[in-house]
Amino acid sequence: QVQLQESGPGLVKPSQTLSLTCTVSGGSISSGDYYWSWIRQHPGKGLEWIGYIFYSGSTYYNPSLNSRVTISVDTSKKQFSLKLSSVTAADTAVYYCARGVRGRSSDRWGQGTLVTVSS
Amino acid sequence: DIVLTQSPGTLSLSPGERATLSCRASQTVTSSYFAWYQQKPGQAPRLLIYGASSRATDIPDRFSGSGSGTDFTLTISRLEPEDFAVYYCQQYGTSPFTFGQGTRLEIK
Repeated sequence: QVQLQESGPGLVKPSQTLSLTCTVSGGSISSGDYYWSWIRQHPGKGLEWIGYIFYSGSTYYNPSLNSRVTISVDTSKKQFSLKLSSVTAADTAVYYCARGVRGRSSDRWGQGTLVTVSS
Repeated sequence: DIVLTQSPGTLSLSPGERATLSCRASQTVTSSYFAWYQQKPGQAPRLLIYGASSRATDIPDRFSGSGSGTDFTLTISRLEPEDFAVYYCQQYGTSPFTFGQGTRLEIK
């Protein structure tokens, strides 16, 4: 059964770049049937879709974050990554990676990782 | 962006009762690319329903989804103790994908 695991710093200073990696195990990352997403949840709030990537490298970003977001994939390591630049306290959230299936939305999620933006 | 509005914000019911959760979209959802998720405290969301009415893998048949266009419903036929959680709707037919604000299902 496919599993996803987020990793990266839990604390980032304001104006710096948040960097997270999601490692996929138990399944293939190199299938055109899947897209690989980042989603975040501010403390006590709802869910916000950040963007996703296909194994080919094609990406789609939420326009609200578009100018600050980069998602990349490394199929050899079965990993995909998120970079969010110029962070502020408003970027403090639990960040989830997830696998999306064409027509089925996100059926597998990582456990989530809390990233706090603070000096 | 497609805005999803869930109602009610909080639903108080007892185990064994039927729960009906609603979600209205600000625009027609493409190809019924509509999903429901369940989230418990400290856990990631779990996919319950996709394509508006198809149950995800291992989801009990007491969960059912219906609707099309702009109005969608999640029904839990007989509540079990483990069903009390927050439920989110999502459209994934039009980028950016968007979520509703959530309905909290609490024990009465």
